[in-house]
This record gives sequence, C-alpha cells and structure tokens, in this order.
Amino acid sequence: ETGVTQTPRHLVMGMTNKKSLKCEQHLGHNAMYWYKQSAKKPLELMFVYNFKEQTENNSVPSRFSPECPNSSHLFLHLHTLQPEDSALYLCASSHSGREETQYFGPGTRLLVL
Amino acid sequence: TQLLEQSPQFLSIQEGENLTVYCNSSSVFSSLQWYRQEPGEGPVLLVTVVTGGEVKKLKRLTFQFGDARKDSSLHITAAQPGDTGLYLCAGPGGGADGLTFGKGTHLIIQP
Repeated sequence: ETGVTQTPRHLVMGMTNKKSLKCEQHLGHNAMYWYKQSAKKPLELMFVYNFKEQTENNSVPSRFSPECPNSSHLFLHLHTLQPEDSALYLCASSHSGREETQYFGPGTRLLVL
Repeated sequence: TQLLEQSPQFLSIQEGENLTVYCNSSSVFSSLQWYRQEPGEGPVLLVTVVTGGEVKKLKRLTFQFGDARKDSSLHITAAQPGDTGLYLCAGPGGGADGLTFGKGTHLIIQP
C-alpha cells in the first residue's frame, strides 16, 4: 500500500459546490498536514494536525475546513471556493514534529470555475 | 515569517553537464531539507542537513549547508535526464509545526 494516498486526484467544481478532499496515510505517523501549491508561489502550509489535534491554522479562509477523525485520515472540506483557490493540494505526514521527514501524497489538482 | 529564496528559478542544460542550485535566507534555520518533485507527484525528500558547514553526498548529488545555517546548495555532477524535476528546499517555519518552502528550481536535463 502506497505511503500517503489522496483522492480524488483531479477535481473540477463550481463556486457554489461543496466537495471534500481525502488523505490517508499508512505509515503509522502522528502528524498530518495540508499544503497548497500554486504556480509561481512557494508551497504554502495550510493546516497541521498532531495526534488528531489541530496545532496550526495558517490564516486560511473559512471556506476551507479541515477534519482529522483519526491519525490516519485527514479531510479538507471545500465550500464556496473562488477561482484563485485553483491549485494542487498536497497532504503530508510525519512521525511527529516538523523537524522530521514529511512524506507527501500525489496531490489533488483542483480547478474552481 | 522565515523566507527561503531559491535560484535559479528555471535551468535547462544538456546531459552530462554540471550544475548548482541555491537556497538562501536571511534567517538561521536549525535544519534544511531538499525535496524533488516530479510532474503529477508530491515532493520526495532527498536529504536533510543539520550542522553548519555540513556536506552530504547522494550519488551524483552533493548538498552543502552554509556555516551560518542561512543557506544551502545542491550540486549535480554529470546531470542525466532522470534528474529533471522541481527541486525544493524547506526548513522549519515560524509556527509550531509544518515546513516553510522556497519556490523551487525547475530543472530540465536535455538528452
């Protein structure tokens, strides 16, 4: 089983839609992360969960809502997004803190029309 | 917020040539990581450097951490088409968790 999986791989949604991105890690890690990767911008950290508790919310708009039901699963719920939210959304996990290696999933390519 | 500046942004060279890409900051980092990202995939860790002045080698790739722990470089010897990808440097961010990334260097090695 691949270390970190993300579904769907591609998503097209209208600005009034509600959708969710799913991430699952099979590495026994305790920390999970959501990053946003846009063209011409650095990877941006969005949310961090450590032992299922949210430890960081990097000033992300409320139209993005994370959920971490257990250490293996992470969701990103999307609603009333804007076209500028189109990007590659990457999930990552690590054993615990940020000093450790982060293992990334393949990402979900999101297009908001 | 600690920023990481990577240069060059784009680099296209012929197979067999050598190259160096850079990662610079005005801030001190406790460690820096280098990742490679291929199209359609997430970044994959290549190396972590921790000690100022440290040099690490990974086959044809040589990574160096500056003495002041503010900068790092990646040197590739005899580049091959398989080295093509986006090279990202990252370090512990200003917050409690998560990493701060540079914009990356897009590297293309032409056969």
